[in-house]
Amino acid sequence: SQQGEEDPQALSIQEGENATMNCSYKTSINNLQWYRQNSGRGLVHLILIRSNEREKHSGRLRVTLDTSKKSSSLLITASRAADTASYFCATDARNAGNMLTFGGGTRLMVKP
Amino acid sequence: EPEVTQTPSHQVTQMGQEVILRCVPISNHLYFYWYRQILGQKVEFLVSFYNNEISEKSEIFDDQFSVERPDGSNFTLKIRSTKLEDSAMYFCASRVVRGLDEQYFGPGTRLTVT
Repeated sequence: SQQGEEDPQALSIQEGENATMNCSYKTSINNLQWYRQNSGRGLVHLILIRSNEREKHSGRLRVTLDTSKKSSSLLITASRAADTASYFCATDARNAGNMLTFGGGTRLMVKP
Repeated sequence: EPEVTQTPSHQVTQMGQEVILRCVPISNHLYFYWYRQILGQKVEFLVSFYNNEISEKSEIFDDQFSVERPDGSNFTLKIRSTKLEDSAMYFCASRVVRGLDEQYFGPGTRLTVT
């Protein structure tokens, strides 16, 4: 798989449930960032986790990073219908220039 | 809160025409980027720009593409002769410091080539 691959590709849950999305990558990273994109719209930055961090929280978001497994997870707790969007992880890789490499994203649908 | 802005939000052009997409990065940011997203596909890196020159570019960024920072605020992407396959959402992004900080994205310009 390519750098920054999310799974599942699609996730459908009921409002109030938690949503967990996973991301795997291949190379060493400086940091990993999660973004949200509403259909046809821009990319909204959610959270950045650095390579020396293992867990980070921001409101209802919890991100973990396991550099030994080259994986990250994004947990959205107590989901709301407004959380319906696509979620992307993006890696800022060491020795690979300063661009972000995005995964294919997870399409999350939260049903009211 | 400062944000990256892009104009226009939607551009329709005919194949072979030149287009210029405009971006105003966040004012104290030093690194600037263009990415694109073809409908239903991944966001792909095009080019990064620092200190008034290209620092990295992808295979997509061929001779048909160019970037410029004509003044202290604007950052532009020019496509010289558009092709149908250039139809995509183009995102501008900026960051303060390489490797440590978030990249903030603009709302995008949807380019439709007919």
